[in-house]
Amino acid sequence: GDSVTQMEGPVTLSEEAFLTINCTYTATGYPSLFWYVQYPGEGLQLLLKATKADDKGSNKGFEATYRKETTSFHLEKGSVQVSDSAVYFCALSDTPGSQGNLIFGKGTKLSVKP
Amino acid sequence: GAGVSQTPSNKVTEKGKYVELRCDPISGHTALYWYRQSLGQGPEFLIYFQGTGAADDSGLPNDRFFAVRPEGSVSTLKIQRTERGDSAVYLCASSLASYNEQFFGPGTRLTVL
Repeated sequence: GDSVTQMEGPVTLSEEAFLTINCTYTATGYPSLFWYVQYPGEGLQLLLKATKADDKGSNKGFEATYRKETTSFHLEKGSVQVSDSAVYFCALSDTPGSQGNLIFGKGTKLSVKP
Repeated sequence: GAGVSQTPSNKVTEKGKYVELRCDPISGHTALYWYRQSLGQGPEFLIYFQGTGAADDSGLPNDRFFAVRPEGSVSTLKIQRTERGDSAVYLCASSLASYNEQFFGPGTRLTVL
């Protein structure tokens, strides 16, 4: 079945460092891809999404590009801030054109030190 | 405006007991989802409602789990004969329609002793 694999955490960075969190997926069709973020004490929030190959999702300085050839959707940010400390989840939906039922990775905890 | 709310925030029960977990979606959202998140894992899909009907219940692990949404708004997840392995955070999400962003509630942490 469909699945998502993301890099193990925790990841600890200094403020203004470059961030990459790797995410690869397995899907039989053409899924939509998402990054969700969970800040301490809060619920899951959609960070960005991409619905077809070569699409780039972006939000709050974060970016991820849907790479069909490598089945990847890596999350990047050029300069992280302390406020970016959170758990990040990569997810896919295998329902064409919709979010449908989301399949999540295990999550990567990011800690940014001042 | 109000987001998705879930009650209770924490529930401790004994093995074999029955529990109900409630989700209040954002007003006007027709789609409602339940997920379960075990420690150190990502959320796992349980069931999806479009309006009052369960459009997809393929994620329910067994027949001890059941969910309803009788008026197309509030939903209740019901677990019979709870087992220790049911301990997890149960998340609810709603969206305007099935193709829109899902907004998640804070979850109910269920502990089965």
